[in-house]
Amino acid sequence: QQQVKQSPQSLIVQKGGISIINCAYENTAFDYFPWYQQFPGKGPALLIAIRPDVSEKKEGRFTISFNKSAKQFSLHIMDSQPGDSATYFCAAASTSGTYKYIFGTGTRLKVLA
Amino acid sequence: NAGVTQTPKFQVLKTGQSMTLQCAQDMNHNSMYWYRQDPGMGLRLIYYSASEGTTDKGEVPNGYNVSRLNKREFSLRLESAAPSQTSVYFCASSPGRGSSDTQYFGPGTRLTVL
Repeated sequence: QQQVKQSPQSLIVQKGGISIINCAYENTAFDYFPWYQQFPGKGPALLIAIRPDVSEKKEGRFTISFNKSAKQFSLHIMDSQPGDSATYFCAAASTSGTYKYIFGTGTRLKVLA
Repeated sequence: NAGVTQTPKFQVLKTGQSMTLQCAQDMNHNSMYWYRQDPGMGLRLIYYSASEGTTDKGEVPNGYNVSRLNKREFSLRLESAAPSQTSVYFCASSPGRGSSDTQYFGPGTRLTVL
C-alpha cells in the first residue's frame, strides 16, 4: 500500500514532442505529489509538485495532471527538448505522516535532437 | 551557499570493512535524510532525522546506522559492508517538519563493496 508505481521505465521522444510519465499510488493518505528531475551524476532536484485539491498544475512546459478518484498522476513535458533528457521520479507523501517520501522507480527520458 | 554536500564522492570497500558517509547542509534545515539509489528501484529511504537529536528508520535500515551530529550534519555508517550495499547514496535535507517540504539533495556518494 506504500508503493508508488511509475511507468514507463524508459521513454524516447523526438524534439518538440510531448513526453508523458505516469504514476499510480494506493495509499489514500498521500496528499502531496512532487516530481524530481535527475541528470547523470547529480542528485535529484524538485521539478514541480501538486496537492490533490487541484487537478492540474502547470509551470512552463511542465504540467502535472492529477486524478484523485483513480489515484493516478502524470507529468507532461510539452515541446520536449534535448536538455530535458534526464531521469524523472514521481513521489508521494502524507503531510500528516512522518516526513517520508515514497519514490517511484524512475523514468529515463531521452529527447532526440 | 553550498547547499547539501557529501563526502566522499566515490568509495571502494572490501566486504566486512566499515566506513562513514558524511553529509552537511548550510540551509539551516531541520530535517535530513539518507537514501540509496539502485537501478530499477528508485530512491529508497534508509534513515531520516526530523529534527536535531532525533533519528528514525526508513524503508531499508538494515546494515546501517546514523548520527545527527548537530543541525548541519547527518552521517551514515556501514559497520560491516556487504556487496548488497553497493549503491549510490544520497543525502537530502528539507526546511521544516512536514513531509511536504521540498527535499534538497546532495551530489551523491557512489559506493562499491567487493
